[in-house]
Amino acid sequence: GAGVSQSPSNKVTEKGKDVELRCDPISGHTALYWYRQSLGQGLEFLIYFQGNSAPDKSGLPSDRFSAERTGGSVSTLTIQRTQQEDSAVYLCASSYGGLGGYEQYFGPGTRLTVT
Amino acid sequence: GQQLNQSPQSMFIQEGEDVSMNCTSSSIFNTWLWYKQDPGEGPVLLIALYKAGELTSNGRLTAQFGITRKDSFLNISASIPSDVGIYFCAGQPTNAGGTSYGKLTFGQGTILTVHP
Repeated sequence: GAGVSQSPSNKVTEKGKDVELRCDPISGHTALYWYRQSLGQGLEFLIYFQGNSAPDKSGLPSDRFSAERTGGSVSTLTIQRTQQEDSAVYLCASSYGGLGGYEQYFGPGTRLTVT
Repeated sequence: GQQLNQSPQSMFIQEGEDVSMNCTSSSIFNTWLWYKQDPGEGPVLLIALYKAGELTSNGRLTAQFGITRKDSFLNISASIPSDVGIYFCAGQPTNAGGTSYGKLTFGQGTILTVHP
């Protein structure tokens, strides 16, 4: 079946502009996660959606970052007034979300470059 | 928050050699997962472990869930050039609840380089 997809694959934007990154999770997965990965670094948790529960936003680095998940499926990560330090790969993952459903499946990522 | 210590940070080996990497935690985990990330791609799940002491193989890869539930290792036998990449461990703490349920803690990764 189809895996997690993300778009765009690459995004170059000017400092100060807003960007939107999209994630399409695996069909039937109720949990969706956003991570950020700087060059050669580990995964930095950003936000987690589980079903209809309030999202866990504890990893968002500033109020310029926000995310929503519409209809329990597609998610959009928005970065307002982008800064150069926002340059990174943004990864989306989804999981079954049920008891024991910890296995997260990742998309290919969106590489964001802020000039 | 939870911390996972993954080691080594990087490894440079010759093709054909065996590789071992591990993760340790200060708290008990009820799940351990191992991922591989190729350059320019997202991490791919290699092995999932759910029981203390569990030893699971996937081709040349073998992973174990430590009996203390605070550690896990991944072994790669007879390495080949396509094993190059970053390997991440991840785990679900047993005391996770509420909004933390289902949220994994990731290690910092082991960068593997294989010389032909």
